[in-house]
Amino acid sequence: ETGVTQSPTHLIKTRGQQVTLRCSSQSGHNTVSWYQQALGQGPQFIFQYYREEENGRGNFPPRFSGLQFPNYSSELNVNALELDDSALYLCASSLAGVRTGELFFGEGSRLTVL
Amino acid sequence: KQEVTQIPAALSVPEGENLVLNCSFTDSAIYNLQWFRQDPGKGLTSLLLIQSSQREQTSGRLNASLDKSSGRSTLYIAASQPGDSATYLCAVNYGGSQGNLIFGKGTKLSVKP
Repeated sequence: ETGVTQSPTHLIKTRGQQVTLRCSSQSGHNTVSWYQQALGQGPQFIFQYYREEENGRGNFPPRFSGLQFPNYSSELNVNALELDDSALYLCASSLAGVRTGELFFGEGSRLTVL
Repeated sequence: KQEVTQIPAALSVPEGENLVLNCSFTDSAIYNLQWFRQDPGKGLTSLLLIQSSQREQTSGRLNASLDKSSGRSTLYIAASQPGDSATYLCAVNYGGSQGNLIFGKGTKLSVKP
């Protein structure tokens, strides 16, 4: 069984640039969620994708967007980067329709905005 | 507002001690509650998941309890080891969408040899 994998692991961008982060879900999982974790804080929910559509969103502006592909992998795109976007971005996968609803996380992508 | 609070923020114990980590949530209408472990700069490892209808779950030296009426969960770690040193996060799912967990800020545990 393959776990959740994310890429890249680290990246550095400057203010105003755009970034794309990638996530491959755990084998057999069809739902992907994205979280932002600032230093010293708990993760905050950005959005969730199921069947290639966004079906839940946290309190994040529209410049945070995503995609899910037919193989259930996903991308997180952030436009017009701001300094406060510096964080660890975590991807989690789960199996929709299963009552347990347990989420499994990847190792994250560390984004630094200068 | 739905909030999750974890106390204490940091805890240091000698090896071998039993310990309890606390989690409280403001809205008792939860769907489930999940405990995670996070090593520095790493992702989250799922430890235990408790459904709203359950009172506790056990895995090895870990036992998590849930009291919905009081809005509390505890994570009990028996016979702590230096390898247990990490940040422990509690997260609540209110059922809005499966992946929408509300996290506490975590308890940073240090187990001294």
